[in-house]
Amino acid sequence: DTGVTQSPTHLIKTRGQQVTLRCSPISGHKSVSWYQQVLGQGPQFIFQYYEKEERGRGNFPDRFSARQFPNYSSELNVNALLLGDSALYLCASSLENIQYFGAGTRLSVL
Amino acid sequence: EDKVVQSPLSLVVHEGDTVTLNCSYEVTNFRSLLWYKQEKKAPTFLFMLTSSGIEKKSGRLSSILDKKELFSILNITATQTGDSAVYLCALLYNNNDMRFGAGTRLTVKP
Repeated sequence: DTGVTQSPTHLIKTRGQQVTLRCSPISGHKSVSWYQQVLGQGPQFIFQYYEKEERGRGNFPDRFSARQFPNYSSELNVNALLLGDSALYLCASSLENIQYFGAGTRLSVL
Repeated sequence: EDKVVQSPLSLVVHEGDTVTLNCSYEVTNFRSLLWYKQEKKAPTFLFMLTSSGIEKKSGRLSSILDKKELFSILNITATQTGDSAVYLCALLYNNNDMRFGAGTRLTVKP
C-alpha cells in the first residue's frame, strides 16, 4: 500500500509566477490537508479538504487556493509568488484523525 | 494566536541515554495532541493522545498527556543514532486545523 505521494519533489520559480503542487492520498483516505513548513519551524496549516469540500482554512492570503478531485487527489495553487513562499509544502491524508504525511514539495522562489 | 511550545529546541545525547521532550500549550478546546518524528521531509506519526493521564507506549517510546497542567511529554529510552530527528508536537482542533510546535531537534551521538 503506497503512502501519500506528492509531485514535483523540487520546484524553482521566480517572483510573480504561479505554481501548482499535487498530492495523492493513501488509498481509502478521503481527507487531504496542506501545510507550509519554513526552515526551522513546524508545519503551518493551509487547507483541509474532505469529499471535495473545504473543511478548514489557515491564516494564509487569497493567493493560496486548493481543490480536491473525485478520486480524492488534491492540488495546491499559489499565485503571484513571493520570496517568502519558499518552503517545504507538505500534504497529509487522514483517517480517523491521524494525518499521514507525504515527503513534500520543496519550492524555491528566486 | 494559540501557542504550542516545545522544549528544549535542541538536544544532544549519547547512545543509551534517556530523553524527555516537552510540549506545552495554552488552549483547552482541542480534540487530540499528536507527536510526529521528522527525519528529512515527511513527518511520521508516533502517538495520538486524547485522554489525560493515559500513557501510550511503542517500543522505547512513550508519551503522556496532562490536560490539567496543559502539557505532554515524549520519552525515549536507550536512545539510538536512528532516533536523531526533529520531534514535532501538534494540537488537532475540532475544525480540523492542526497547530504544530517548532519541534525539538534531537541528535544522538554514537
